[in-house]
Amino acid sequence: AQSVTQLGSHVSVSEGALVLLRCNYSSSVPPYLFWYVQYPNQGLQLLLKYTSAATLVKGINGFEAEFKKSETSFHLTKPSAHMSDAAEYFCAVRPMNTGFQKLVFGTGTRLLVSP
Amino acid sequence: EAQVTQNPRYLITVTGKKLTVTCSQNMNHEYMSWYRQDPGLGLRQIYYSMNVEVTDKGDVPEGYKVSRKEKRNFPLILESPSPNQTSLYFCASTATSGRAGELFFGEGSRLTVL
Repeated sequence: AQSVTQLGSHVSVSEGALVLLRCNYSSSVPPYLFWYVQYPNQGLQLLLKYTSAATLVKGINGFEAEFKKSETSFHLTKPSAHMSDAAEYFCAVRPMNTGFQKLVFGTGTRLLVSP
Repeated sequence: EAQVTQNPRYLITVTGKKLTVTCSQNMNHEYMSWYRQDPGLGLRQIYYSMNVEVTDKGDVPEGYKVSRKEKRNFPLILESPSPNQTSLYFCASTATSGRAGELFFGEGSRLTVL
């Protein structure tokens, strides 16, 4: 079964520093990939998604992710962290030949931003 | 405002006492699903629905029931809750069945079963 692995359950950065959240997928065929963010006491919302078009995907709030087939990765980055970026981030995969009903989430990475 | 609304947001109950978590969306979405979120496990799908009266099991359906009698509502039923169902539950909906479709989530329902 296809899955995603998120390295690091917690990542701490200082305000203004680079944010890098790692996600690797397991699939011989490139899947569709998503990053969702969960702010405290809220539901998840879509940050960005890869659907086999451009490999560099830009999302909301200054985040972007690059699909690298050779590394089976889809890491999330932001050049300069803001305090409001503190949240939990989930990478998710939707395998080939599936629809909305199959979205497999990673275990999540909590981003902590210090002043 | 487009939204998915869940109730209750917080609930503490006891083992064996039937409960229902309601979910309603105002976006006219055909597709809805329920997830549970547990520390270190991410989100796991419990049930999903492709349309009115069309539901199917997700990855962790044991101990849960759902119904879809109206397009906008998709309640989650715990007939006899047990402590291992203590979790954070999310309802989600989407307009498309395709692979690129975005899920819209409710704010979550935190359930504690004593």
